[in-house]
Amino acid sequence: SQQGEEDPQALSIQEGENATMNCSYKTSINNLQWYRQNSGRGLVHLILIRSNEREKHSGRLRVTLDTSKKSSSLLITASRAADTASYFCATGTSGTYKYIFGTGTRLKVLA
Amino acid sequence: DTAVSQTPKYLVTQMGNDKSIKCEQNLGHDTMYWYKQDSKKFLKIMFSYNNKELIINETVPNRFSPKSPDKAHLNLHINSLELGDSAVYFCASHRGTSEKLFFGSGTQLSVL
Repeated sequence: SQQGEEDPQALSIQEGENATMNCSYKTSINNLQWYRQNSGRGLVHLILIRSNEREKHSGRLRVTLDTSKKSSSLLITASRAADTASYFCATGTSGTYKYIFGTGTRLKVLA
Repeated sequence: DTAVSQTPKYLVTQMGNDKSIKCEQNLGHDTMYWYKQDSKKFLKIMFSYNNKELIINETVPNRFSPKSPDKAHLNLHINSLELGDSAVYFCASHRGTSEKLFFGSGTQLSVL
């Protein structure tokens, strides 16, 4: 199955800075989701954006979606050490239950 | 009150053995999944069941056999384990009308 590509693969920033990670995918989608995975744990859902939406906010998270470019970005503002984790995008296609995950971005927030 | 629980958390076994991983969700979801996460953190979908019926089978070797005795359980049996099967296996679920996936904490399988 095709996977989305995320970049950067790894990102290291200082606490208080903003973190931006990008996801590109290959097929038409119904929705795109972002998940966080702390080391040694399962994935936790952060936010979902539908194909007819361009931007969505949730607390310190801002997600954009550009279906013409088949890309999405996740912005975490005012990062905290607790935001240190891997972040994955996942795409869903209408009519299927198949959710394809990207390659992930490892974010490290330095205190 | 764990939403999606997997057992065991760690599984160390020899090549050629047969092992099972169990998953249970108490969320009332009707769709469950097995994902495999390799050492590079790539997450790959393996199987999905909806209301106990297999709906996704992603070119997984026949040595892997999922079983869903009811909507709340999805088990994974692996025959003749190989070194390449070493990975973290995640169970996940969601309600049909919601695309938000809930994940278990994973089973780290090490084949020696």
